[in-house]
Amino acid sequence: EVQLVESGGGLVQPGGSLRLPCAASGFSFSSHWMGWVRQAPGKGLEWLGNINQDGSGTHYVESVKGRFTISRDNAKNSLYLQMNSLRAEDTAVYYCARVPYDGNAYYDYWGQGTLVTVSS
Amino acid sequence: DIQMTQSPSTLSASVGDRVTITCRASQSISSWLAWYQQKPGKAPKVMIYKASSLESGVPSRFSGSGSGTEFTLTISSLQPDDFGTYYCQQYISYPITFGQGTRLEIK
Repeated sequence: EVQLVESGGGLVQPGGSLRLPCAASGFSFSSHWMGWVRQAPGKGLEWLGNINQDGSGTHYVESVKGRFTISRDNAKNSLYLQMNSLRAEDTAVYYCARVPYDGNAYYDYWGQGTLVTVSS
Repeated sequence: DIQMTQSPSTLSASVGDRVTITCRASQSISSWLAWYQQKPGKAPKVMIYKASSLESGVPSRFSGSGSGTEFTLTISSLQPDDFGTYYCQQYISYPITFGQGTRLEIK
């Protein structure tokens, strides 16, 4: 069974940093592109970025470029989202998700999400 | 960036109704479109990919159509479990973008 489990969310002050891990199981993690999507309270879905199978290639939405970094450790079947210089508007539930096939960047499996609250 | 616009924003329908949600892209995305259903407090679930392909396990009352800039998600006979918010997503190019969502309520 494919499972994605995010962790690491919580309360962080503006300007602070947080790293969100996503533990993957039930599939060949190193064979799939992976991505992060967030959802602010009561709002819609916002794509953040994707990473390729070996971690050598990433894409980001403009609003987080230079502040957020996606990485992965295939030996640990883990995906990461490093978030720096956090702002109040980064408050959201953060989801990791799996891209099913190369060149088809929709998401067939999602984690349950982890809530990040940026507030003083 | 490709803008995705859904209509309506909210939809109220009765069990058994045929329901259609529309998604328009600001430029052609061929058939590179997915539809997701999201229930409160839960992660999105893919329903349709490549505009008209039904994801495994999704009931056949769901269907998708369209190409280029105009797409529709149709539920042929609405069931009580179909409530939630539906999002379209284009994946022809980065940045990936989602529609703003359509909230479907069961009367």
